[in-house]
Amino acid sequence: VQLQQSGPGLLKPSQTLSLTCAISGDSVSSNRAAWDWIRQSPSRGLEWLGGTYYRSKWYNDYAVSVKSRITITPDTSKNQVSLQLNSLTPEDTAIYFCARGKAALSYGMDVWGQGTSVTVSS
Amino acid sequence: DIQMTQSPSFLSASVGDTVTITCRASQSISNYLNWYQQKPGKVPNLLIYAASTLQSGVPSRFSGSGSGTDFILTISSLQPEDFATYFCQQTYTGPRTFGQGTSLEIK
Repeated sequence: VQLQQSGPGLLKPSQTLSLTCAISGDSVSSNRAAWDWIRQSPSRGLEWLGGTYYRSKWYNDYAVSVKSRITITPDTSKNQVSLQLNSLTPEDTAIYFCARGKAALSYGMDVWGQGTSVTVSS
Repeated sequence: DIQMTQSPSFLSASVGDTVTITCRASQSISNYLNWYQQKPGKVPNLLIYAASTLQSGVPSRFSGSGSGTDFILTISSLQPEDFATYFCQQTYTGPRTFGQGTSLEIK
């Protein structure tokens, strides 16, 4: 299983971050996984942002800290999951990761994307 | 949200030592606790899930214990490649929050 991230790394305040995570070797529709987005910065450490998973229908969970600004969307036709985070501020500067949370591993994240370094600056 | 608190934040040890890292949850999380290792410039690597189950390929010198609110990661007979940062994470309910990390450094 591999996760390949893509998306821009430099944005301005108030813009929207859009990242995609292409999944190979598993299915975004798997009923045995969740597909999460996490970010990491020196000031905030590892911060789980949200995730999506399919259990007869699609579910989304979001962190309270970003709930008003975040959308995570599965794309079954491309077998990928996307992150949108709007109204960016410099505090959103971080490395962003997608990851698979595997149900059999207590939703431990056993596969990670390579990370995307995102800088928010005017 | 459930808050996860790790201690210590920094730990200095020598090759061959045994070290313990503690993770405390702000409410009971049963055994929904995972541990990760992260080296500089790398993605986190899942070491232990469900509090005490070793992920495939992880050396047996790593072990985890605990349930409810208090959990321990133990690394026995430290090897040079074990010097890294360790994170706990709860997956019991709601946002799957991480601890702030413990940086394990060579003494």
